Amino acid sequence: DTGVSQNPRHKITKRGQNVTFRCDPISEHNRLYWYRQTLGQGPEFLTYFQNEAQLEKSRLLSDRFSAERPKGSFSTLEIQRTEQGDSAMYLCASSSAGSSYNEQFFGPGTRLTVL
Amino acid sequence: QQQVKQSPQSLIVQKGGISIINCAYENTAFDYFPWYQQFPGKGPALLIAIRPDVSEKKEGRFTISFNKSAKQFSLHIMDSQPGDSATYFCAAKTSGAGSYQLTFGKGTKLSVIP
Repeated sequence: DTGVSQNPRHKITKRGQNVTFRCDPISEHNRLYWYRQTLGQGPEFLTYFQNEAQLEKSRLLSDRFSAERPKGSFSTLEIQRTEQGDSAMYLCASSSAGSSYNEQFFGPGTRLTVL
Repeated sequence: QQQVKQSPQSLIVQKGGISIINCAYENTAFDYFPWYQQFPGKGPALLIAIRPDVSEKKEGRFTISFNKSAKQFSLHIMDSQPGDSATYFCAAKTSGAGSYQLTFGKGTKLSVIP
């Protein structure tokens, strides 16, 4: 399967714990995005990487959130001191800079539940 | 501020019928409009997309109609099938430097009944 993969698929944690999610983009894609989707809503943009550089961050990305893409391949999203309001599906997408439309392809997501 | 407004919130169509979902936007800098299909527990899958230099794009049973002056676009699903039952999201994006995020509508839950 050459699509975007995300791990874990599900994460249940207690309030105040730290969690980390991983995204592996489509291999030739140099652009990577993180979105958050809550129940009954469309995905909301969190942050964007081109290669290893984080070029855009949403104001939704509070200082408890940090994302990295150290070698320009996979990316991690860490949430520190989780809150119940962080419960959501965290989606990763990737695209190719060579694509004229910059089509973004999404992974299956990581569903986070904070108790 | 919701930049892309999508309607209806839910839609029930009989098998073989036409499903129509509408979206409206405010930001005239948007110049790329994709539609995504999402099944429960899955990530959104790109279905079809359009740029404002054309008024219609068709791929199989899926058609996007685009009205630049009205700042509206819609998805038409012809000969709707039970397997089309999913949530559909319209989205929009600018192509200006430094802006790569998609702005999504709130979604339309489509149910196609046999």
